[in-house]
Amino acid sequence: DTAVSQTPKYLVTQMGNDKSIKCEQNLGHDTMYWYKQDSKKFLKIMFSYNNKELIINETVPNRFSPKSPDKAHLNLHINSLELGDSAVYFCASSSARVRGNNEQFFGPGTRLTVL
Amino acid sequence: AQSVTQPDIHITVSEGASLELRCNYSYGATPYLFWYVQSPGQGLQLLLKYFSGDTLVQGIKGFEAEFKRSQSSFNLRKPSVHWSDAAEYFCAVGSGSSNTGKLIFGQGTTLQVKP
Repeated sequence: DTAVSQTPKYLVTQMGNDKSIKCEQNLGHDTMYWYKQDSKKFLKIMFSYNNKELIINETVPNRFSPKSPDKAHLNLHINSLELGDSAVYFCASSSARVRGNNEQFFGPGTRLTVL
Repeated sequence: AQSVTQPDIHITVSEGASLELRCNYSYGATPYLFWYVQSPGQGLQLLLKYFSGDTLVQGIKGFEAEFKRSQSSFNLRKPSVHWSDAAEYFCAVGSGSSNTGKLIFGQGTTLQVKP
């Protein structure tokens, strides 16, 4: 019973390609997030969706486009991949009326390598 | 701006020894504080969290943390470390009052356990 799942786990691709990472949560949560973990293991929020509505959009290149078809899914599409996009991308979800004090449940991560 | 600092990038302790991982935060209001653990190749798992009330909070796997407002700290402790505790530990602050649910993470502390 995986709570937050991501596919694929590993993604190796060439510069300039377009790729997507999928995230699904079966916790019934209404808020989902994408975080990027760089090579120094620093974690930073990229996007957050609540009930399919974008609520956080940090300073991320517009090559990155999140899509939330429903509350249980938040996919990340990346256009024109660059070497600097190589990182581990984590999806997370949370729930409650006051979103800021919630535990966020994280997926296993997707390691993206751009060659 | 909110920030989290984990002064120790890497800590090595002997199995059975006590452990303290430091975390300092900068936040204007009452913070929502979290400690997460990341085992190699895995996602993040919540160890414990503080929102209000008792400043000493207990978590999973025998961990505890103490919130000290005067020192802007939320240090993680464990009386006796097990080899399986070797992992990356992240302190995070949540922006509960802003209702966005965003987590700001520290740089992480790598814990190595000597047999």
